Amino acid sequence: NAGVTQTPKFRVLKTGQSMTLLCAQDMNHEYMYWYRQDPGMGLRLIHYSVGEGTTAKGEVPDGYNVSRLKKQNFLLGLESAAPSQTSVYFCASKREGLAGELFFGEGSRLTVL
Amino acid sequence: RKEVEQDPGPFNVPEGATVAFNCTYSNSASQSFFWYRQDCRKEPKLLMSVYSSGNEDGRFSAQLNRASQYISLLIRDSKLSDSATYLCVVNSGGYQKVTFGTGTKLQVIP
Repeated sequence: NAGVTQTPKFRVLKTGQSMTLLCAQDMNHEYMYWYRQDPGMGLRLIHYSVGEGTTAKGEVPDGYNVSRLKKQNFLLGLESAAPSQTSVYFCASKREGLAGELFFGEGSRLTVL
Repeated sequence: RKEVEQDPGPFNVPEGATVAFNCTYSNSASQSFFWYRQDCRKEPKLLMSVYSSGNEDGRFSAQLNRASQYISLLIRDSKLSDSATYLCVVNSGGYQKVTFGTGTKLQVIP
């Protein structure tokens, strides 16, 4: 049981380049999330999805786009990377309801030069 | 004021010690509460949920104080393997209203 898988795990980009982070979960969860984690800032929500075909903005959505074409996949795109997007990105999923546990992927470390 | 606040630490404690962390939250309508553990350069993982009646899991116990709007985590008989960052998580309603504290770092020393 893989749980939540993120690819790639590491990436270095130049300013202005684009890339996509892929998150895949095999737990049939409805909700999926993209967070970024920076020192001293905690985890901040970028975008989230409550089901296939739906997406919504979180706390820090600027500079990112997402898509959820299939229930098990949630893609995070950077159209024109900036150094301020250097961070560790975590994908998470959970079942419906307030009480469900968030299951995280192992993280993707992105550096923008 | 931050929605969820934690003392960043680090808390350096000897093996066998008891250590307690507090976390305060600002939204009185918050509905569910959790402690997550995050090891260095790893993903967060659920440690325990926090209920109004309190709960305990082995050496770990958690309490919720709604009147004062804080939750606490108590670790008894600390082990070296408890060294990690402990994240306070508050759900204020709805799937997107999950707010993470910045974490409290614990270092257990031999």
